[in-house]
Amino acid sequence: EVQLVESGGGLVQSGRSLRLSCAASGFNFDAFGMHWVRQAPGKGLEWVSTISWNSRVIGYADSVKGRFTISRDNAKNSLSLQMNSLRPEDTALYYCAKDMAVRDSWPILRGVDDWGQGTTVTVSS
Amino acid sequence: QSALTQPPSASGSPGQSVTISCTGTSGDVGGYKYVFWHQQHPGKAPKLILYDVSKRPSGVPDRFSGSKSGNTASLTVSGLLAEDEADYYCSSYSGGNNFVFGTGTTVTVL
Repeated sequence: EVQLVESGGGLVQSGRSLRLSCAASGFNFDAFGMHWVRQAPGKGLEWVSTISWNSRVIGYADSVKGRFTISRDNAKNSLSLQMNSLRPEDTALYYCAKDMAVRDSWPILRGVDDWGQGTTVTVSS
Repeated sequence: QSALTQPPSASGSPGQSVTISCTGTSGDVGGYKYVFWHQQHPGKAPKLILYDVSKRPSGVPDRFSGSKSGNTASLTVSGLLAEDEADYYCSSYSGGNNFVFGTGTTVTVL
């Protein structure tokens, strides 16, 4: 069973930084791309960032480009999101999510098929 | 990176069908077959119910079906059950290593 457990959320002042982590288990972590998706209170889902299994393909939403950095450590089955220059509009529940595409398939990233339970980030002004 | 457009709400009586649209552009929905649908109950994490426009993951009942025409994808829930009352989100690959979600639709079972 796929398990994705996020951590690192909290309350932070505008302009400060926060690092989110996601511990993955129940699947071959090094064979799948991963995503971060967020959901502001009472709002819809917003894709934030993605990283391929080998870290060679990375993408960011325009709203976070230049401020957030996604990374992974396949040896530790871990995904991270470094969030700098945080803004009040970054306040959300952040989900770690697994991509459906497996290593060496095409396309290398395809879409989310499993979700964690999320970690809450609150940015005060 | 504009969100895909979904109707805010949809409803139907138990046993009836409801269809939700998801409209994008040729750069996302219209350009790729990687349209996914997710169901989210209040206070819960989303759950994948359709991928690649119309394929169902194991365990998802065949009451859920999908299609696509041009820049618009659709999700149909047939034989509505009370448990289908939830928020539904489409998503699509949008090129350049980017993805986009829909605005979300709240389905109410009357």
